[in-house]
Amino acid sequence: AQSVAQPEDQVNVAEGNPLTVKCTYSVSGNPYLFWYVQYPNRGLQFLLKYITGDNLVKGSYGFEAEFNKSQTSFHLKKPSALVSDSALYFCAVRDQGRNAGNMLTFGGGTRLMVKP
Amino acid sequence: GAVVSQHPSRVICKSGTSVKIECRSLDFQATTMFWYRQFPKQSLMLMATSNEGSKATYEQGVEKDKFLINHASLTLSTLTVTSAHPEDSSFYICSADLAGYEQYFGPGTRLTVT
Repeated sequence: AQSVAQPEDQVNVAEGNPLTVKCTYSVSGNPYLFWYVQYPNRGLQFLLKYITGDNLVKGSYGFEAEFNKSQTSFHLKKPSALVSDSALYFCAVRDQGRNAGNMLTFGGGTRLMVKP
Repeated sequence: GAVVSQHPSRVICKSGTSVKIECRSLDFQATTMFWYRQFPKQSLMLMATSNEGSKATYEQGVEKDKFLINHASLTLSTLTVTSAHPEDSSFYICSADLAGYEQYFGPGTRLTVT
């Protein structure tokens, strides 16, 4: 079974400050990891993914995430937050194993509030 | 990039009626599509996995006779909420599988049952 934990329901940060949204995962094999952002009454927008290779992944809108296998984490980061980054962020995992299927498991979501 | 559309974006229906939601992959073929349900301020919950040309696989607790899924072509899957009730009001999101490891999501459909 695979699972994702986003330990913070909400993260508050001042505009211009760095932000981190935490994510830890559990899979039986190697993971595919994803971050998505959701604005009110909208579907999910893809931010970035880790498949293999470099542990530091760069994505859309200046976001990046670091895959840490030993800590089973994939925290989302941005050096300088914008008010427009305020949204709901979801981390998701999928097991790479051939027999694992292609189902994504989502974390509970973290609301990011960036204040001017 | 890969684009997934959903129609309608919003629908209001009366209790007891049925509603059909369409999910289309616009510029790629998807052998697998997924249907999710999202309650306010909550995460996405997978309802079912839809495979082209075969029966959908439903998650535990999801009534297959109430949520009818049809995946008749490689670019279209439909979700029909039958005999809708107010508790079925929710945000329904579909996704389409590309290359076996990445899903692209539709914009969602807000269903309100009165």
